[in-house]
Amino acid sequence: EVQLVESGGGLIRPGGSLRLSCVASGFTFSNYWMSWVRQSPGKGLEWVATISQRANEKYYVDHAKGRFTISRDNARNSLYLQMNSLRVEDTAIYYCARTENFGPYLPQPLFDYWGRGSLISVSS
Amino acid sequence: EVVLRQSPGTLSLSPGERATLSCRASQSISSNFVAWFQQKPGQAPRLLISGASNRATGIPDRFGGSGSGTDFTLTISRVEAEDFAVYFCQQYDSIPYTFGQGTKLDFK
Repeated sequence: EVQLVESGGGLIRPGGSLRLSCVASGFTFSNYWMSWVRQSPGKGLEWVATISQRANEKYYVDHAKGRFTISRDNARNSLYLQMNSLRVEDTAIYYCARTENFGPYLPQPLFDYWGRGSLISVSS
Repeated sequence: EVVLRQSPGTLSLSPGERATLSCRASQSISSNFVAWFQQKPGQAPRLLISGASNRATGIPDRFGGSGSGTDFTLTISRVEAEDFAVYFCQQYDSIPYTFGQGTKLDFK
């Protein structure tokens, strides 16, 4: 059974930093692209970042470029999202998602399994 | 950016009725890279349909997807009690990958 378990969320002040983790099990982690997707009441579901199997390709939504970094450790079956310069509008539940990539050039990623999410609240 | 608009916002039906949910894109989506997800309160989204019409593993055949270009549809042939939830469409054709705002299927 595919399982994805996120951790690392919490309450953080604007301008602060936080690192989310996601531990995967039930599949061969190193064979899959992985992604982060977030959900907030105001903006709904929003793709944040995607990383290739060997971490040589990384893609971000525009507002995350320069602030967020997606990474992975295949030996630990783990995905990470380092978030810096956090803003109030980054408040959301962050989901880790296993990703099937159909694109031969730029990714065309299908998010086929999702974790239960980790809540990040950015507030002064 | 591809904007996805879902309609209706809320669909009120009784068990056994047919549900038709619409997703319209602001520009054509190549290769029909459209997915549908179901989300229940407090849970993560669950993949139902990929490639506009392919049911995901374990999804009952009462769920069906169709469409191409800019217009896509999720159909539930006979709604069951467990189907009352929020449904999202999503395009995974071009960056940024975007989601619709959701259609809530609730009990009439």
